[in-house]
Amino acid sequence: DAKTTQPPSMDCAEGRAANLPCNHSTISGNEYVYWYRQIHSQGPQYIIHGLKNNETNEMASLIITEDRKSSTLILPHATLRDTAVYYCIVGQTGANNLFFGTGTRLTVIP
Amino acid sequence: DAGVIQSPRHEVTEMGQEVTLRCKPISGHDYLFWYRQTMMRGLELLIYFNNNVPIDDSGMPEDRFSAKMPNASFSTLKIQPSEPRDSAVYFCASRVMNQPQHFGDGTRLSIL
Repeated sequence: DAKTTQPPSMDCAEGRAANLPCNHSTISGNEYVYWYRQIHSQGPQYIIHGLKNNETNEMASLIITEDRKSSTLILPHATLRDTAVYYCIVGQTGANNLFFGTGTRLTVIP
Repeated sequence: DAGVIQSPRHEVTEMGQEVTLRCKPISGHDYLFWYRQTMMRGLELLIYFNNNVPIDDSGMPEDRFSAKMPNASFSTLKIQPSEPRDSAVYFCASRVMNQPQHFGDGTRLSIL
């Protein structure tokens, strides 16, 4: 599976959009981009995933570049409860071994 | 909807004791996964099952670790004998067909 690169940490003001980047330059044609987050003392929480088209759900939006070598997770109106470690993972549909890496620690500031 | 349920949430025991961690997957999910998370190694897959059958146990660290899934709604991860280096947070996850994995809130294990 392709590996990903994320910034180790980011800050975002409460109420503003949080844009979390991820590079996955070695992604294969059949690999999806998955985003999870882990709030302190909880298990990883699935957020969103996509193959090539942009995706949106009630939690976030996922923007994937046309060449699929990078993506951005957007939390449109960040709240304090969005403070967490965000993981970008690439893998085939129904991937069984998710490689979480070190993720981006997002801190939402009041 | 009930998510993945793990028990206990916290376990503290002495070295050499047997430890049993439990997991109830989301109803209808046919895959079940056991992960371990430590500061040093992050989140690692230990073993996963499909339709109650172990498919890949290559992540199980040693013979001291064993996992079973006697039915579609229950799985256990056992460590016998336990050692201090087994201290970690153990997560269970489940999924159905080609959908993403959903995780429980984990068991924080401390071996003294």
